[in-house]
Amino acid sequence: QVQLQESGPGLVKPSGTLSLTCAVSGGSISSSNWWSWVRQPPGKGLEWIGEIYHSGSTNYNPSLKSRVTISVDKSKNQFSLKLSSVTAADTAVYYCARVICSGGSCYGAFDIWGQGTMVTVSS
Amino acid sequence: AIQLTQSPSSLSASVGDRVTITCRASQGISSALAWYQQKPGKAPKLLIYDASSLESGVPSRFSGSGSGTDFTLTISSLQPEDFATYYCQQFNSYPRGYTFGQGTKLEIK
Repeated sequence: QVQLQESGPGLVKPSGTLSLTCAVSGGSISSSNWWSWVRQPPGKGLEWIGEIYHSGSTNYNPSLKSRVTISVDKSKNQFSLKLSSVTAADTAVYYCARVICSGGSCYGAFDIWGQGTMVTVSS
Repeated sequence: AIQLTQSPSSLSASVGDRVTITCRASQGISSALAWYQQKPGKAPKLLIYDASSLESGVPSRFSGSGSGTDFTLTISSLQPEDFATYYCQQFNSYPRGYTFGQGTKLEIK
């Protein structure tokens, strides 16, 4: 059973770079799934950040694209998020998630999520 | 960008009630819509994908319907564990991208 686990600093200074990693266990990151990052500011809704395929292909939310980089490390079975020039508005719980594939088809929904990690942007 | 509007934003209901939450897309998205349940301090849980497909392990009292721009999530008989916030989410295949609705908080009456 595939599980995801986020890790990284819980506190980032303004104008700095937020860096998180999502470790995939119980399955291979080289499967036919896409892998995503989603965030949720305190008390607010969900926002998709971007996704990556094991080939390295990426797609990003246009509102964050200039600041986001997602990469994959197949040797470690993990993928990572970097968000640059952060401000207090980037304070949120950050989740990694897997895009569902079922019955040989893939659908644009997230079936497996990490537990989430809170990142605060503050000096 | 495609926007999703959920209604209502909040809802009070009783155990045993039938509840319907609506999600409207700003343009047609075929059946590329999912529904999630989120409880405080927890990650969202996938309930429905492809507008009407029930995720494995999700109770059959949850159902989804719709296509194009109008979608609904129905809980046929509310259970105590169903009180949570529900989100719809759409997928755009070209260019690839995802958008969430603003959420519907379901509370106990």
